[in-house]
Amino acid sequence: NAGVTQTPKFRILKIGQSMTLQCTQDMNHNYMYWYRQDPGMGLKLIYYSVGAGITDKGEVPNGYNVSRSTTEDFPLRLELAAPSQTSVYFCASSAGAHSYNEQFFGPGTRLTVL
Amino acid sequence: QKEVEQNSGPLSVPEGAIASLNCTYSDRGSQSFFWYRQYSGKSPELIMSIYSNGDKEDGRFTAQLNKASQYVSLLIRDSQPSDSATYLCAEEFQDQAGTALIFGKGTTLSVSS
Repeated sequence: NAGVTQTPKFRILKIGQSMTLQCTQDMNHNYMYWYRQDPGMGLKLIYYSVGAGITDKGEVPNGYNVSRSTTEDFPLRLELAAPSQTSVYFCASSAGAHSYNEQFFGPGTRLTVL
Repeated sequence: QKEVEQNSGPLSVPEGAIASLNCTYSDRGSQSFFWYRQYSGKSPELIMSIYSNGDKEDGRFTAQLNKASQYVSLLIRDSQPSDSATYLCAEEFQDQAGTALIFGKGTTLSVSS
């Protein structure tokens, strides 16, 4: 199993550009999450999904959109990139809702907006 | 608004010593807590989870939960240079849609040989 994979690893965007961060998991997990981590800070939840077709906002959803059409994929969309969105983005997945279901993290996407 | 507070450190300990990492949380109703380790430039990985008051031990790691005082701690015995990393405390929250984690800012641990 590859676990949670994310593409791209690095990206530089200009202000106002748009892009999609890809996240795929092959563990048949129902729950998937997007976090951002700014330098020296913890992770902030952007959006999460409890299954295909179901998504909900986290702590910092503004400027982002998500969709979940399949169990495996959970892409994160930035429509109008801003310097404040410069961060490392982590995708994670877990088997279910209960707290004993560990969240598995992808390797991250390092995004810079100039 | 749920909050998880951690001292950002750095916390420096010599090899072989006990490292003590602390975390406080704002929601008295929170039930489940987690410690993640994150090496520089890498993704977080789960070390321990704890749901009940008291201690939970796993090898060199002991998690402690005190719900009355709203704090969680992680003790690392016989600290090794390989333990040098940032340790993230997280609490679980639940709403109508499901469950997710709220993370603290993390405490950076440095173990010197």
